[in-house]
Amino acid sequence: DAGVIQSPRHEVTEMGQEVTLRCKPISGHDYLFWYRQTMMRGLELLIYFNNNVPIDDSGMPEDRFSAKMPNASFSTLKIQPSEPRDSAVYFCASRLAGSSYEQYFGPGTRLTVT
Amino acid sequence: GNSVTQMEGPVTLSEEAFLTINCTYTATGYPSLFWYVQYPGEGLQLLLKATKADDKGSNKGFEATYRKETTSFHLEKGSVQVSDSAVYFCALSFTINAGNNRKLIWGLGTSLAVNP
Repeated sequence: DAGVIQSPRHEVTEMGQEVTLRCKPISGHDYLFWYRQTMMRGLELLIYFNNNVPIDDSGMPEDRFSAKMPNASFSTLKIQPSEPRDSAVYFCASRLAGSSYEQYFGPGTRLTVT
Repeated sequence: GNSVTQMEGPVTLSEEAFLTINCTYTATGYPSLFWYVQYPGEGLQLLLKATKADDKGSNKGFEATYRKETTSFHLEKGSVQVSDSAVYFCALSFTINAGNNRKLIWGLGTSLAVNP
């Protein structure tokens, strides 16, 4: 299996622009998670899906952030408009129900907003 | 509420030294406990886990024991290698609703640098 795939690996954009991050979970996994990692706040869960349905989005920082999962093999995290404080590494992770809750992480997208 | 506290880094050791990274938790119910490792430029990957009190998780020479009496899950390795240089995260998994959905709570991570 190819593992969790994220794109792009690096994104540099200007403040105010729309940013879309993409994730392909491991085939057959029914949970998908979006995380943000910064030096100041560590690893934060933004939102997670079960069978393509958002279960908990309490970690989404504000309305500028939105996430979708149109099918079992694809999810997006969108920031519109982006701000410099959104600069971070964004990770996608997936897991299989009943698998002792082990999550498999993608390599991350490093976002820089100037 | 549920939380995880792990020792601050960075931790710097010489090769073959003994490693301990402390992790304590607060939780209601019966959480599962995990250590994840993040190598430079990569995503996190599971290192070991324990799902009930007194369980010992082990992998790649690392060990951690689920201690309910001290609410701890300290990570240890008897002899570290340069290749162990990474950031280590302690995490706790708990049930958030009756639908058996669970959530991971993460520590802030401890950076380990091992010098030859």
